[in-house]
Amino acid sequence: GQSLEQPSEVTAVEGAIVQINCTYQTSGFYGLSWYQQHDGGAPTFLSYNALDGLEETGRFSSFLSRSDSYGYLLLQELQMKDSASYFCAVRDGSWGKFQFGAGTQVVVTP
Amino acid sequence: DTGVSQDPRHKITKRGQNVTFRCDPISEHNRLYWYRQTLGQGPEFLTYFQNEAQLEKSRLLSDRFSAERPKGSFSTLEIQRTEQGDSAMYLCASSLELVETQYFGPGTRLLVL
Repeated sequence: GQSLEQPSEVTAVEGAIVQINCTYQTSGFYGLSWYQQHDGGAPTFLSYNALDGLEETGRFSSFLSRSDSYGYLLLQELQMKDSASYFCAVRDGSWGKFQFGAGTQVVVTP
Repeated sequence: DTGVSQDPRHKITKRGQNVTFRCDPISEHNRLYWYRQTLGQGPEFLTYFQNEAQLEKSRLLSDRFSAERPKGSFSTLEIQRTEQGDSAMYLCASSLELVETQYFGPGTRLLVL
């Protein structure tokens, strides 16, 4: 089976940096993805890590350590529009089945 | 292409009724996924298709749930004899084969009274 753990909520002020951790247990590992979902909206893809290391995309970066079964999403220069839920997800052995974490709600305050 | 679309966006039904939802994926995407999401939780995998073939179905999925993708384009998800516990957001996503990125539709919010 698979499981993913991430914090339920993080609060930070505008301009700050937030790190959302995700630990996973999988029978097979094919990479860690991150999605953002605003209230009432659809999840949107942010990043994917298949190999160890840091991937940077603008203000967002994602990190993976396969040996530690751990990854994180780093949100820099926080803006009010970053207030949303963030989900980590792993793919099962097959190419089709994904499992999502319960999500981390990020609250950005002025 | 305008992205993944789902219809209807909202559905209210009485317990015991059948409901059917439709998903139109991005046109060139051959993979299509159905998820269910409840408040405060992440999307829960239900089933997925590659072209018209349903390749996997969640073991948690009751026999009351069935999905089709007859021509490898749009898909339908039917729930028979709905129960109050079926109340949730039903999300559809599509992707290209062997590509990690999934594109989600806006979802169908189901309320079973």
